[in-house]
Amino acid sequence: SQQGEEDPQALSIQEGENATMNCSYKTSINNLQWYRQNSGRGLVHLILIRSNEREKHSGRLRVTLDTSKKSSSLLITASRAADTASYFCATGYSGNTPLVFGKGTRLSVIA
Amino acid sequence: DAGVIQSPRHEVTEMGQEVTLRCKPISGHNSLFWYRQTMMRGLELLIYFNNNVPIDDSGMPEDRFSAKMPNASFSTLKIQPSEPRDSAVYFCASSHGLGDGELFFGEGSRLTVL
Repeated sequence: SQQGEEDPQALSIQEGENATMNCSYKTSINNLQWYRQNSGRGLVHLILIRSNEREKHSGRLRVTLDTSKKSSSLLITASRAADTASYFCATGYSGNTPLVFGKGTRLSVIA
Repeated sequence: DAGVIQSPRHEVTEMGQEVTLRCKPISGHNSLFWYRQTMMRGLELLIYFNNNVPIDDSGMPEDRFSAKMPNASFSTLKIQPSEPRDSAVYFCASSHGLGDGELFFGEGSRLTVL
């Protein structure tokens, strides 16, 4: 299966701490994306990193990509209660192939 | 732009009834995707269209499921007859192209089949 796998499945931290989520995949990718889903809502795109990039930042988000290990990590710094959500990685491939989503990490940030 | 618009947001129906879910993608997007999300199976891709043409429907679980995209601004997902195991949240998403860009999701249609 091409599906990415997030780790851990669930994560609970205190407000102000950093949260790190990991994603592993099996086949070569064109890009990797992270999405966030608040309870009862649709997924929202957070960040896209291409296969020739190693690190990308967006506000309090930092994404790394290690294509040799076929893995990516999403770091949320100084977490807030409002960051409580599920986070999904999605792998993109060249050609006419849609994104493949993992099962997600449920993050709970306790105030 | 209003984003991807799905209707209805919630649907409760009885087993055997026909269910039609609707989606209006973002104007200018040429790819449209239907997903189903459950706790057990996560997010499953059911079918996707490119330039209004169905490209891959291998994710459609059974012949009871069908999807159409009659024009660039409208798509439907139909379940006939519905069964309790079809209860899930169904998402529509649109994008420019397929796997190379950002997907924009609607807020989903929560279906409960009694």
